[in-house]
Amino acid sequence: DAGITQSPRYKITETGRQVTLMCHQTWSHSYMFWYRQDLGHGLRLIYYSAAADITDKGEVPDGYVVSRSKTENFPLTLESATRSQTSVYFCASNLGTSGPETQYFGPGTRLLVL
Amino acid sequence: GENVEQHPSTLSVQEGDSAVIKCTYSDSASNYFPWYKQELGKGPQLIIDIRSNVGEKKDQRIAVTLNKTAKHFSLHITETQPEDSAVYFCAAAYSGGGADGLTFGKGTHLIIQP
Repeated sequence: DAGITQSPRYKITETGRQVTLMCHQTWSHSYMFWYRQDLGHGLRLIYYSAAADITDKGEVPDGYVVSRSKTENFPLTLESATRSQTSVYFCASNLGTSGPETQYFGPGTRLLVL
Repeated sequence: GENVEQHPSTLSVQEGDSAVIKCTYSDSASNYFPWYKQELGKGPQLIIDIRSNVGEKKDQRIAVTLNKTAKHFSLHITETQPEDSAVYFCAAAYSGGGADGLTFGKGTHLIIQP
């Protein structure tokens, strides 16, 4: 039971480069989410997706792009990385039925932008 | 949008004592309030949640209370143990017919003193 996985777990890149963080879940959950975690800010929602080909902005979407061509994958792309995007990124998913839902988080990707 | 305040930011208690973490939320439409525990280097893990039609929920040493009128909810851990040391996050969401991202508090670092 793999659950929700993220890759890479650690990434160092340079300012201006494109970086893609991968997220994969094996539960066939409808909803997937990307959060970033920074000291002093907690976890903030970047983007979320209700189903394949349906995505929507969260609290801090600027500088990020997402896609969801398959239900199980939800990649997050930094098109031109900036130092302010140094953070820990978490992917999450939930079943997405009616009513409140438990979200399940991946192990995170630590990104350093030099 | 929703705003969640969490206090205290750091809490140190003696092993065996109780710990209480408090959160307030701003959006009266929020109806789902989970609590997550995050250990070093890992993603957040759900420990307990409460929905707005319930005032209190208990699971062994952990309990959560909700006061919808005051827009407060709290996490109570009794008989604390060393493995309870972690960062705890409260969150709030409105979910009616789907699922949106969670709005998190900034976290409480709980330290259990031996």
